[in-house]
Amino acid sequence: GNSVTQMEGPVTLSEEAFLTINCTYTATGYPSLFWYVQYPGEGLQLLLKATKADDKGSNKGFEATYRKETTSFHLEKGSVQVSDSAVYFCALSDPYGGSQGNLIFGKGTKLSVKP
Amino acid sequence: NAGVTQTPKFRILKIGQSMTLQCTQDMNHNYMYWYRQDPGMGLKLIYYSVGAGITDKGEVPNGYNVSRSTTEDFPLRLELAAPSQTSVYFCASRLGVGNGYTFGSGTRLTVV
Repeated sequence: GNSVTQMEGPVTLSEEAFLTINCTYTATGYPSLFWYVQYPGEGLQLLLKATKADDKGSNKGFEATYRKETTSFHLEKGSVQVSDSAVYFCALSDPYGGSQGNLIFGKGTKLSVKP
Repeated sequence: NAGVTQTPKFRILKIGQSMTLQCTQDMNHNYMYWYRQDPGMGLKLIYYSVGAGITDKGEVPNGYNVSRSTTEDFPLRLELAAPSQTSVYFCASRLGVGNGYTFGSGTRLTVV
């Protein structure tokens, strides 16, 4: 079945450091891929998405490229800020994977950025 | 534009009590979802609905019930609360397959 695996956290970085959060997926079809962010005490917010191979999603300085050959969708940011401290979730939606296209989430990676 | 609204934000229940978590959206989305989030465990799908009058079980439906009488509302019912249902509950909606979800701000439920 479809699944998403993302790197274990927590990840602790200093301000202005480079961020990578790895995400790989297993899917039977051609899924859409998403990154969501959850700030403390809040619900999840869509950060970026990509709907087909080689697409790059970007938002607020974050980027992720849909790599079909490596089944990956790694999240990157060149210079993190304290305000980026949150939990990040990778997710996929595969309409042909038997789950009615419902989003399948990874377990989340907690990021803490220190000043 | 309110998006997805959940009430209440916090609730403490005693074992065996019942309650309804309310969820309403004003975006005319067809699909609605209920998830629970336990610490370090990500999100688990409880129930979902693809339109008014249609509901289906997710990964962890036991102990819960839902109904979808209108496009806007998707309440989640706990009939006999148990400590294992202590969690944060999120409602979400989306227009259709291939679109991302819009989440509510969550209901933090404690069963004692």
